[in-house]
Amino acid sequence: QKEVEQNSGPLSVPEGAIASLNCTYSDRGSQSFFWYRQYSGKSPELIMFIYSNGDKEDGRFTAQLNKASQYVSLLIRDSQPSDSATYLCAVKGTGGYNKLIFGAGTRLAVHP
Amino acid sequence: DAGVTQSPTHLIKTRGQQVTLRCSPKSGHDTVSWYQQALGQGPQFIFQYYEEEERQRGNFPDRFSGHQFPNYSSELNVNALLLGDSALYLCASSLASGQETQYFGPGTRLLVL
Repeated sequence: QKEVEQNSGPLSVPEGAIASLNCTYSDRGSQSFFWYRQYSGKSPELIMFIYSNGDKEDGRFTAQLNKASQYVSLLIRDSQPSDSATYLCAVKGTGGYNKLIFGAGTRLAVHP
Repeated sequence: DAGVTQSPTHLIKTRGQQVTLRCSPKSGHDTVSWYQQALGQGPQFIFQYYEEEERQRGNFPDRFSGHQFPNYSSELNVNALLLGDSALYLCASSLASGQETQYFGPGTRLLVL
């Protein structure tokens, strides 16, 4: 079992729809979770982080965390073609230091 | 506010050669982490430097080594390059205290022929 798993996609949604991106993790002790966006040929860009169970909203983005189910998701409302990118879920490793463990990413395509 | 910078942006080497990649962290940050991202994969943690010491290391061979300088900048060295070392090398900076959120530089794309 991989430490952080994401559906590779592509996830195709029409412009204006809600895109839902999911991620599961294996280490029950994990406490910090991050979503990064990566455009083709570019480096990852931080979108959001979440530490507590429940929802956290920032503009069109909502991160959801369920530690009991070891599940974290990212919702993008009113999706735009400019949101087309690969979305990386990252989990902070346990053990006192902050290495990030990444999933392979989900490719999102928003079509007009 | 200067973000994370990396140099060079692109590099082509041949098998067996050695390479040095450089990173300057975001202003105010004191911790540098290095990641390797192969095509179609998520970044893989190589190691992390804080106070000029390697404090955590991922599953990479000793051919991968690093250094952190007193001004918090860092270098990644890879010896005896293999074809499989071709990847995007990412540097991320953070604060050792606080939220520890990591911010990535633009990366160095290394091609080994």
